[in-house]
Amino acid sequence: AQKVTQAQTEISVVEKEDVTLDCVYETRDTTYYLFWYKQPPSGELVFLIRRNSFDEQNEISGRYSWNFQKSTSSFNFTITASQVVDSAVYFCALSEVGDDKIIFGKGTRLHILP
Amino acid sequence: ETGVTQTPRHLVMGMTNKKSLKCEQHLGHNAMYWYKQSAKKPLELMFVYNFKEQTENNSVPSRFSPECPNSSHLFLHLHTLQPEDSALYLCASSRPGAGGPYNEQFFGPGTRLTVL
Repeated sequence: AQKVTQAQTEISVVEKEDVTLDCVYETRDTTYYLFWYKQPPSGELVFLIRRNSFDEQNEISGRYSWNFQKSTSSFNFTITASQVVDSAVYFCALSEVGDDKIIFGKGTRLHILP
Repeated sequence: ETGVTQTPRHLVMGMTNKKSLKCEQHLGHNAMYWYKQSAKKPLELMFVYNFKEQTENNSVPSRFSPECPNSSHLFLHLHTLQPEDSALYLCASSRPGAGGPYNEQFFGPGTRLTVL
């Protein structure tokens, strides 16, 4: 069965600090896709990244970086030099080949304090 | 602007009312989804439509009735709702490859529903 666990329910950091959001997943498939989404207070989920299971290279996009570790079934997300606008709920998600669904974690609420 | 619009953005209805939520995507996608997001609960997938055919109904009560007349439009018809149905209803679309959602889903802004 597929499952996504985001153990951190809520995190608060002071602006300009680095912060890492954890994501651990479970799947029996060897081919699968992982995603991160951001949900700001406005409510709309914004797609951040997709990663397939064969690509373990870490990715950096500006202040955002993602660390995919297949050995530990983790796909962690780091924000460097955080800003107040990064305050949001962040969701990690998983989809398996042959399935129409994306399974979302419960989300981590991130507060960036000025 | 993600190319997925939802109307209305806010809706208040009584338990005996009938209303509909509308979703439209301008991205040329073939799959559309309804999700429910309640306070302090994970995002719940309700329905999936692939090329206008319903491929997933996640044990949703019959008081929620989806309709997908074409690949660009998705409706959620509501009738005889309960107060616990109050939530944010999110629509999403994607361009699935063969066998699954290889591509990311793009979400609309949601409809905040309150059932009195």
